[in-house]
Amino acid sequence: TQLLEQSPQFLSIQEGENLTVYCNSSSVFSSLQWYRQEPGEGPVLLVTVVTGGEVKKLKRLTFQFGDARKDSSLHITAAQPGDTGLYLCAGGSQGNLIFGKGTKLSVKP
Amino acid sequence: DAGITQSPRHKVTETGTPVTLRCHQTENHRYMYWYRQDPGHGLRLIHYSYGVKDTDKGEVSDGYSVSRSKTEDFLLTLESATSSQTSVYFCAISLADSDYGYTFGSGTRLTVV
Repeated sequence: TQLLEQSPQFLSIQEGENLTVYCNSSSVFSSLQWYRQEPGEGPVLLVTVVTGGEVKKLKRLTFQFGDARKDSSLHITAAQPGDTGLYLCAGGSQGNLIFGKGTKLSVKP
Repeated sequence: DAGITQSPRHKVTETGTPVTLRCHQTENHRYMYWYRQDPGHGLRLIHYSYGVKDTDKGEVSDGYSVSRSKTEDFLLTLESATSSQTSVYFCAISLADSDYGYTFGSGTRLTVV
């Protein structure tokens, strides 16, 4: 069974701080995606990475796919209250997505 | 003009009754999925479809059935609802396989009493 472990589970920080969220597995994935979910809504796709070692930037968010395509990280620079939410990583496997349990981020003004 | 809508958004039903949840898309995407989201378990795949009348089981398919008679509609049926099926259910669509990313609906909160 393929699993994606996310850490930390919970993160509470002050506005302006930097943070990194990790997504790890012992399995190789064809792609790795990051989603953000707000209360009462479905997850929204932030980015897809498909090449080992790939780095993608989305404004203050930086996503990295591990060289072996088994892990990924999400780094947020100068976090803002609007970044608050549940961050989910998901790995592509045999045509479907396997999701991690998420990191719940709270950014306080 | 959401490309994917789920109905109903909330439902309370009694144990033993059948329940059908609907997912409707206007994107003409080939792939459609049903997930459930529970605290401590995250999102788990129930069933998915890769075309009209083409469906397959996911990780937690017991007690659920699906149908897809049209590209735009994917129905999830709980044959005889149980309290363990109390959850938030999400439908998702994808243009191709998982590497293209999913678009999720807003979810249906189902409570079985």
